[in-house]
Amino acid sequence: RKEVEQDPGPFNVPEGATVAFNCTYSNSASQSFFWYRQDCRKEPKLLMSVYSSGNEDGRFTAQLNRASQYISLLIRDSKLSDSATYLCVVNTNAGKSTFGDGTTLTVKP
Amino acid sequence: NAGVTQTPKFRILKIGQSMTLQCAQDMNHNYMYWYRQDPGMGLKLIYYSVGAGITDKGEVPNGYNVSRSTTEDFPLRLELAAPSQTSVYFCASRGDSRNQPQHFGDGTRLSIL
Repeated sequence: RKEVEQDPGPFNVPEGATVAFNCTYSNSASQSFFWYRQDCRKEPKLLMSVYSSGNEDGRFTAQLNRASQYISLLIRDSKLSDSATYLCVVNTNAGKSTFGDGTTLTVKP
Repeated sequence: NAGVTQTPKFRILKIGQSMTLQCAQDMNHNYMYWYRQDPGMGLKLIYYSVGAGITDKGEVPNGYNVSRSTTEDFPLRLELAAPSQTSVYFCASRGDSRNQPQHFGDGTRLSIL
């Protein structure tokens, strides 16, 4: 079993739709969690950190469920510019970092 | 605002050649990482370092070596290039707090023929 698993996708949604991605992790020692966005195999860029209490940044909401060991990302009112690959990242306290394989989102007019 | 700088951006190697991918950061970050990303796949951790003089293997270390003699630099060495090492290589760094996100370089696109 992979340490970090994401929804395989791809997700194809119309503009204005709400879409959610999940990411599960197996290492209970995991301490910090992030969502990154990657465009066309360019470098990943931080979308948002994921906090235990959940957090929101505009149209994006991230949540963490430690008991079930998963994180989620919700995108509301999807825009064409949201089309990208979304990567979840899980860090242990020892500094090791593990990425999911990514979920591809395509937002269509 | 250099951040994380990777060189070269592109390189073509012949099988059996060796080379070093350079990574430097100017943010005084202790944590540094090397990843590879194959087409259609996620990032796989090759090696990481939690500070100068300390390195650890990641998920796919075979065929690579690293060193961390300074806080700023974290070079990745390929000793005997193989076609399976054709990939995009990303270097990243982050601050000490566990809630610090990673900052990535632009990547090195490496082809081995």
